[in-house]
Amino acid sequence: SQQGEEDPQALSIQEGENATMNCSYKTSINNLQWYRQNSGRGLVHLILIRSNEREKHSGRLRVTLDTSKKSSSLLITASRAADTASYFCATVPMDSNYQLIWGAGTKLIIKP
Amino acid sequence: DSGVTQTPKHLITATGQRVTLRCSPRSGDLSVYWYQQSLDQGLQFLIQYYNGEERAKGNILERFSAQQFPDLHSELNLSSLELGDSALYFCASSPAYRSGQFFGPGTRLTVL
Repeated sequence: SQQGEEDPQALSIQEGENATMNCSYKTSINNLQWYRQNSGRGLVHLILIRSNEREKHSGRLRVTLDTSKKSSSLLITASRAADTASYFCATVPMDSNYQLIWGAGTKLIIKP
Repeated sequence: DSGVTQTPKHLITATGQRVTLRCSPRSGDLSVYWYQQSLDQGLQFLIQYYNGEERAKGNILERFSAQQFPDLHSELNLSSLELGDSALYFCASSPAYRSGQFFGPGTRLTVL
């Protein structure tokens, strides 16, 4: 069953703008991960944020985690056409047998 | 390149047939995961192996089975194929529990 729910389902912005995607989940987690998938390709791990962390940066990516609201956001700054992809959040629940629980993804389109 | 390899890249077969998908994890990774992704859908977790043993099962049909061999490569067997089994099948590996996963390029299965 899916735990993560991304919002919005699709997002279309102009190149250079910032893109923000949100993820909500239901149970306590050990960590939350964000992945990118270009059309028809394998997923690429972007960033992992642990439950005791509130914010993490990697290049133009900024991830926040609010465990009280059971939500996370992924911000891509100064977007580029190459950022066009689907973005998925995945959680590792605290009591899990270590499998990731995946959201349905946000489809991001960057218009040149 | 994630270091995870999958063969074949494409597979076209008929209903009722049986196929085997193969995955080689990244060097040193003991965990292997299998996922199914139908057109424009999110990921469906199928099964996880750790060092040769089954660790977690997701929405895997009884017609599907998998195993992980002593050299850590894994195979996913799909039998009595139906049209609805047409999808991308991804293998992923990870170095440790709860860590990020590294995805292979996928096998695109088309059942005619």
